[in-house]
Amino acid sequence: EAGVTQSPTHLIKTRGQQATLRCSPISGHTSVYWYQQALGLGLQFLLWYDEGEERNRGNFPPRFSGRQFPNYSSELNVNALELEDSALYLCASSLRTDRVAFFGQGTRLTVV
Amino acid sequence: AQKITQTQPGMFVQEKEAVTLDCTYDTSDPSYGLFWYKQPSSGEMIFLIYQGSYDQQNATEGRYSLNFQKARKSANLVISASQLGDSAMYFCAMRETPGGSYIPTFGRGTSLIVHP
Repeated sequence: EAGVTQSPTHLIKTRGQQATLRCSPISGHTSVYWYQQALGLGLQFLLWYDEGEERNRGNFPPRFSGRQFPNYSSELNVNALELEDSALYLCASSLRTDRVAFFGQGTRLTVV
Repeated sequence: AQKITQTQPGMFVQEKEAVTLDCTYDTSDPSYGLFWYKQPSSGEMIFLIYQGSYDQQNATEGRYSLNFQKARKSANLVISASQLGDSAMYFCAMRETPGGSYIPTFGRGTSLIVHP
């Protein structure tokens, strides 16, 4: 069974541009979580989607947004990129009430 | 206030020895889950072990065990017989259910280096 897959693996953007990151959850999982991990830091919660709806968001500006599609895959959009948005973006999936969230390999976003 | 506290930024251990990584947590929810993840330099987060708040016994998965002390709100990870491949960041996490938000929250992590 396929795990959580994220694309692209690496992404280089220029300041001010937009970035789109994608996540495919484990089959049957309805919840998708997005986290930002800046260099040397822990995981900061960004967004939680479940059953197609945004359920919660972390303390990030509105230029961080996303959506969840009917097949439960998800997209994270970051508008007006800033240098400090450079980070590893991790996606995790689970059943809403399941014990464990499983992670993808991450997308490393570099803003230059 | 932090919900997950990992007080050891870095730990060193000799190969084949055991090591304990500390984690304390804070919740008022009676139902919660505690997790440990390993993050090698490649960046992927690898699930290691889970402990539910109502589980009577400490969780074990191969060389990993979770020393769960509920009254002290502590969930330390014990790695027995360390291997060079265990060198990585280790994150403790908690998920509060059903009264909580279901969002896994993470500590700042502990960097483990295993020496030959």
